[in-house]
Amino acid sequence: NAGVTQTPKFQVLKTGQSMTLQCAQDMNHNSMYWYRQDPGMGLRLIYYSASEGTTDKGEVPNGYNVSRLNKREFSLRLESAAPSQTSVYFCASNRGSPYEQYFGPGTRLTVT
Amino acid sequence: GESVGLHLPTLSVQEGDNSIINCAYSNSASDYFIWYKQESGKGPQFIIDIRSNMDKRQGQRVTVLLNKTVKHLSLQIAATQPGDSAVYFCAENSEGQNFVFGPGTRLSVLP
Repeated sequence: NAGVTQTPKFQVLKTGQSMTLQCAQDMNHNSMYWYRQDPGMGLRLIYYSASEGTTDKGEVPNGYNVSRLNKREFSLRLESAAPSQTSVYFCASNRGSPYEQYFGPGTRLTVT
Repeated sequence: GESVGLHLPTLSVQEGDNSIINCAYSNSASDYFIWYKQESGKGPQFIIDIRSNMDKRQGQRVTVLLNKTVKHLSLQIAATQPGDSAVYFCAENSEGQNFVFGPGTRLSVLP
């Protein structure tokens, strides 16, 4: 099993450009999550999907949108990138809360 | 403990010594805790978890201690090895809500 996969690994955007980060899991998990990780700070939840067909805002949703495409895939979209969105983005999945989350390798995004 | 800010606290230990990494959590209602290990350039990896009805749990070379009275969690790593060098952070969960993650402690293993 590949676990949680994310694409791309690295991305550089100019302010105002848009992009979609892709995430897929092959563990048949119900719940999926998008986090951002900034230097010296804990992971912060952007959006999550408790089950296929549902999405909810997390702690820092502004500037982002998500789509739970099917049980396996959960994408994160930046419609108009800003320098404040420079971060490392992690996707995670689990059976549901409060079970352990499995993380992908991350996407390092730089917005200039 | 852990502090919020740009610079992570760092713990340096000699190879072969035991390491103790601490975490102060914020919510007295938290009932499930996880320790994660994150190596440079990689995603967080589950190490060990503990529920609030326990005060100690052991894994392979790792032990987690929970003190609910002072809202403190610690991770002990026995016979620390170079491969243990990473950032370690705790996560707390309250009644099935979303996890809250600490900023982490960087463990550096000296040869």
